[in-house]
Amino acid sequence: AQTVTQSQPEMSVQEAETVTLSCTYDTSESDYYLFWYKQPPSRQMILVIRQEAYKQQNATENRFSVNFQKAAKSFSLKISDSQLGDAAMYFCAYRSSVTGTASKLTFGTGTRLQVTL
Amino acid sequence: NAGVTQTPKFQVLKTGQSMTLQCAQDMNHNSMYWYRQDPGMGLRLIYYSASEGTTDKGEVPNGYNVSRLNKREFSLRLESAAPSQTSVYFCASRTGQINQPQHFGDGTRLSIL
Repeated sequence: AQTVTQSQPEMSVQEAETVTLSCTYDTSESDYYLFWYKQPPSRQMILVIRQEAYKQQNATENRFSVNFQKAAKSFSLKISDSQLGDAAMYFCAYRSSVTGTASKLTFGTGTRLQVTL
Repeated sequence: NAGVTQTPKFQVLKTGQSMTLQCAQDMNHNSMYWYRQDPGMGLRLIYYSASEGTTDKGEVPNGYNVSRLNKREFSLRLESAAPSQTSVYFCASRTGQINQPQHFGDGTRLSIL
């Protein structure tokens, strides 16, 4: 079974600065998807960014980018020019590409990001 | 632009009571999922439905049942609620295309006294 580990329960960043959230995972599969979801106090689960394991290029979405290290099984999220609205819980998630797994997500335990003035 | 709709948003039950959480999606998605979120544990899969007419157990199915009523609706039932089932419950759905993510509802906060 796959596992996802987020070793930073809480992080803090000053507005306009850059912060990196860590995620590692364990799998024996070669093809899979990785996601970062944001959960603000409103409780919504919002997709931030996704990475397909067979793509070597790191995904980027505006101020959000990932550092995907397949051999190290590492998938960190970098938030540039942090804004107050980035304050939230961030979850890393893994999804197998194997047929028959119904695309179930395995989540990490989350990192709470605080943004200060 | 509804997406995934969960009802109710909040509920308080007494131990032993039964309850059905409703979930509906208007995106014509094939797969639907129920997760629970507990402090410090992330989201864990309870049950899922890969397609209309099928359901399967996830990581933590004990104490729950599900029904995929049609392609749009996927309900979660607690037959005899226990305090350990106090949690926030999320429904999600996804199209069958391999590269598409899951879309989540806003969650139901359930407290069992």
